[in-house]
Amino acid sequence: DTAVSQTPKYLVTQMGNDKSIKCEQNLGHDTMYWYKQDSKKFLKIMFSYNNKELIINETVPNRFSPKSPDKAHLNLHINSLELGDSAVYFCASSDQGSGNTIYFGEGSWLTVV
Amino acid sequence: AQSVTQPDIHITVSEGASLELRCNYSYGATPYLFWYVQSPGQGLQLLLKYFSGDTLVQGIKGFEAEFKRSQSSFNLRKPSVHWSDAAEYFCAVGSKAAGNKLTFGGGTRVLVKP
Repeated sequence: DTAVSQTPKYLVTQMGNDKSIKCEQNLGHDTMYWYKQDSKKFLKIMFSYNNKELIINETVPNRFSPKSPDKAHLNLHINSLELGDSAVYFCASSDQGSGNTIYFGEGSWLTVV
Repeated sequence: AQSVTQPDIHITVSEGASLELRCNYSYGATPYLFWYVQSPGQGLQLLLKYFSGDTLVQGIKGFEAEFKRSQSSFNLRKPSVHWSDAAEYFCAVGSKAAGNKLTFGGGTRVLVKP
């Protein structure tokens, strides 16, 4: 079983559309994250949730809205997609109580055309 | 604020040769340090981590890294590379004080020559 799984893996969509990426972790972790990797491979955190509460919200356009229905899920919804949103989005999770090693999902390749 | 620098954008090594990837970090207290590997089209896999204790840490796939506080470095090494080690390698720093977020370096792409 994949520890951190995200869907879809690939997504091609038109500008202006709204799309969601789903993430689930079966590690029993209490913290989940979204990271963005741009075309230059640079990785940067977007959001972090601990026990369903938002704890990190980096400078991200408000078109991006994370939602955590429970500790095991953190979904990313993006409104009014723009060309610059094309990137790889990684979900990740960790357990703050036991060393905080962060485990990443396989990534979701988003292409906006 | 924490930051990470990986000075080498690309490194080419021959199969069987040794490999060392450099990582320098900036952080006021003792950081958590990580190395991740990303194969083409794949996600990030944790190679090894340092939280405290022994400054030489062993990881998966034969990799090791050494934490040197005096040099603010956490260089990754492998004695003998395999063709399958061709990938992008990322050093990262984290801390509880920063809300456990990871700050990544820009990555080093490793190419392996036959």
